[in-house]
Amino acid sequence: EVQLVESGGGLVQPGGSLRLSCAASGFTFSSYAMHWVRQAPGKGLEYVSAISSNGGSTYYANSVKGRFTISRDNSKNTLYLQMGSLRAEDMAVYYCARVNYYDSSGYYYEYWGQGTLVTVSS
Amino acid sequence: DIQMTQSPSSVSASVGDRVTITCRASQGISSWLAWYQQKPGKAPKLLIYAASSLQSGVPSRFSGSGSGTDFTLTISSLQPEDFATYYCQQANSFPLFGGGTKVEIK
Repeated sequence: EVQLVESGGGLVQPGGSLRLSCAASGFTFSSYAMHWVRQAPGKGLEYVSAISSNGGSTYYANSVKGRFTISRDNSKNTLYLQMGSLRAEDMAVYYCARVNYYDSSGYYYEYWGQGTLVTVSS
Repeated sequence: DIQMTQSPSSVSASVGDRVTITCRASQGISSWLAWYQQKPGKAPKLLIYAASSLQSGVPSRFSGSGSGTDFTLTISSLQPEDFATYYCQQANSFPLFGGGTKVEIK
């Protein structure tokens, strides 16, 4: 059974840092690209960051570029999101999601974690 | 930049109703579109990918159609467990979600 379990969320002051983790199991983690998607309270879904299966390529939404860093440790089957210079608008539930590709460039998120809440407040 | 616009933002419907949700892309995205269902406090669940391919395990009352800029998610006969929020997602290059459509009980 595929499982994605996020951890590391919590309360942080504006300007602070936090590292999220996503522990994967039930599939060959090193074969899949992974994304982070967030959802602010009462709002819609927003893509945050992506990483290729071997970690060699990373991508960021403009809203977090330069402040967040995505990484992965395939030996530990774990995805990370290092978040810095946190702002009130970063407050959200953060989900990790496994990427499935089709037709060479289309993709979808078949599996999601349960999410971890990041609260940014003084 | 591509914009994804869903309509309506909310719809009130009764069990057994046919419900149609529309997603429009500001430029053509071929069939690179997915649909998700999300219930309060839960992660989104994949319903449809490649605009019209039903994800395994998803009831056949859900269907997707469209290509280019205009897409539709249809629930043929609304069931109690279908009351939720639905999101479309541009599924090629930069991931981009629509604003969501909340399906509420009438």
